[in-house]
Amino acid sequence: DIRMTQSPSSLSASVGDRVTITCRASQGISDFLAWFQQKPGEAPKSLIYAASSLQSGVPSRFSGRGSGTDFTLTISSLQPEDFATYYCQQYSGYPLTFGQGTKLEIK
Amino acid sequence: QVQLVESGGGVVQPGRSLRLSCAASGFTFSSYGMHWVRQAPGKGLEWVAVISYDETNKIYADSVKGRFTISRDNSKNTLYLQMSSLRAEDTAVYYCVKDYVHIGSFFDYWGQGTLVTVSS
Repeated sequence: DIRMTQSPSSLSASVGDRVTITCRASQGISDFLAWFQQKPGEAPKSLIYAASSLQSGVPSRFSGRGSGTDFTLTISSLQPEDFATYYCQQYSGYPLTFGQGTKLEIK
Repeated sequence: QVQLVESGGGVVQPGRSLRLSCAASGFTFSSYGMHWVRQAPGKGLEWVAVISYDETNKIYADSVKGRFTISRDNSKNTLYLQMSSLRAEDTAVYYCVKDYVHIGSFFDYWGQGTLVTVSS
């Protein structure tokens, strides 16, 4: 199985900050990488696919980069609604696997 | 707009069975692969199973293989997850998730989830 490791596990930031979350795959996955946002008590929401493509309706302050084993999710200017938990996921092969999550909290 | 509405969750004793359903609308259900993903209380996301648009391909996580069965009824726009020999570690919110294409691509839409609690 492909292991996905996110860092950091938690992060405190302020509105307006630029933040970056890292995701590393245990083997190369090309750009078969997605990012999801989950707020407490809600279902996850799809943000990014193919490492850098935004899902429809996702604000442009979100961006993704990477290929192979190393990926990043960047939020350019944090908004109050962005405080949530973020997960990466590989869809290069089955079983599909997720990172453990990064909880983004308000400083 | 795409809607995925799960149902069938509840409290069930260890060793018993339960069937989850997911009613889909707002897209051509019969053209897309569908997944189940679960999340134990306070934990991360775990992929459970996928079924192709025409039911010819089904793949399961090792943790549920041989106990869970994914199926679909394209005439009813409904996805199912038949769960048997349930264990305490199967306690989770179960999400129905739409694939972008037939199978083996990324997720685009999620349902709101249904909670399954396995407890005596």
